[in-house]
Formats: sequence, structure tokens, C-alpha cells
Amino acid sequence: DAGVTQSPTHLIKTRGQQVTLRCSPKSGHDTVSWYQQALGQGPQFIFQYYEEEERQRGNFPDRFSGHQFPNYSSELNVNALLLGDSALYLCASSLAGGGDSPLHFGNGTRLTVT
Amino acid sequence: RKEVEQDPGPFNVPEGATVAFNCTYSNSASQSFFWYRQDCRKEPKLLMSVYSSGNEDGRFTAQLNRASQYISLLIRDSKLSDSATYLCVVFRGSYIPTFGRGTSLIVHP
Repeated sequence: DAGVTQSPTHLIKTRGQQVTLRCSPKSGHDTVSWYQQALGQGPQFIFQYYEEEERQRGNFPDRFSGHQFPNYSSELNVNALLLGDSALYLCASSLAGGGDSPLHFGNGTRLTVT
Repeated sequence: RKEVEQDPGPFNVPEGATVAFNCTYSNSASQSFFWYRQDCRKEPKLLMSVYSSGNEDGRFTAQLNRASQYISLLIRDSKLSDSATYLCVVFRGSYIPTFGRGTSLIVHP
């Protein structure tokens, strides 16, 4: 039973560039959420996708956008990268039950912006 | 005031010790509560859910105090393998999770 997979594992980009991160949910899960984790901090909720729609969004600017595909996989896009976007980006999948449904995280993508 | 607050630690304890962490939350409408464990440079993993009636899983006990708006995690008979960062998670509404910054636990021989 495949867990949550994310790609790539590491990425180095330059300020102003754009990046796309990918996530495949755990088998049987239909909801994907994305998080940004800075060093020494807890994960911060970016947004959640369900039925190919953004269902909830955290306090992140419009430079952060996403997409969910019919097979439930998801992408996170970040435009006009800033140095402060350097972080570990985590994807988590869950069932559509919302808060009562445990989050299963992928290994994350470590993004470095120079 | 942050929505979810945790003492970052580190808590440095010997093997066999009992250690407890608290996590306070500011939104009284918060509905669901969890503890996650995160090892160094790894992804968070669910440790346990937290219920008003308390929840015990082996050496781990989690409790919720709605009146004082905090959740707690108690670890008995600490093992070296318990060394990790413990994240509390509070759901506002059904879909928006807020993570604490985590409490670091170091168990030494």
C-alpha cells in the first residue's frame, strides 16, 4: 500500500523563478493538503484540495496556487519566488471527513531559494 | 497571541523518566485535537488523537481541557527512541489545522 509520495525531494531555485511540486496521495485518500515548514517551526497550512477544488486556504499570498487532478494527485505552484520561501514543503492526504481524519504526510520537498 | 502555543524545549530526560508537554490554543471553537511526532528531517506522523475523556495508548496519555483550552501529552517510562519533536495540532472548523511549533524531547541513557 503506497503511502504519500512527493517529488522532487530537493530543489534549488533563484529568486523570481517559479516552482511546481507534486504529490500523490495515499491509496484510498481523496483529500490533499499542503504545508510549509520553516526550520524550527511547525508546519503551516497553505491550502487543501478536495474534488479538484480548493476547499480551504491558509494565510498565504496568491503566489501560492495549486491543483488537484481526477486521480487525486496534486500540485503546488509558487510564482515569483522569494528567499523567504525556502522551506520544507509537505503534502498530506486524508479522507474527506475533515478534521477527524488523520493526516498522512509525504517525505516533503526541500526548497532552497537563492 | 499565537493560535497554538507549545514550549519548544528541549526537554532533556533520562531513560525511564516520565515527561509531560502542554499545548495551549486560543480559539474556543476548536473542534479536533491531535499529537503528531516528527523525527529529525522526517515527516510528521500521527501519534494519537485527543479526546475530552482522555486517551491512552501504551506509555502515552493525551488529555484535553476545554475549560482551560489546553491539551497535554504524558509519556511514561521514556525510551531513547522517544527522542523527537512532538507537534500538537488543533483543527478550527473541520478542515483548517493549526500546528504548534513543536516541543523537542531528548531522552538520554
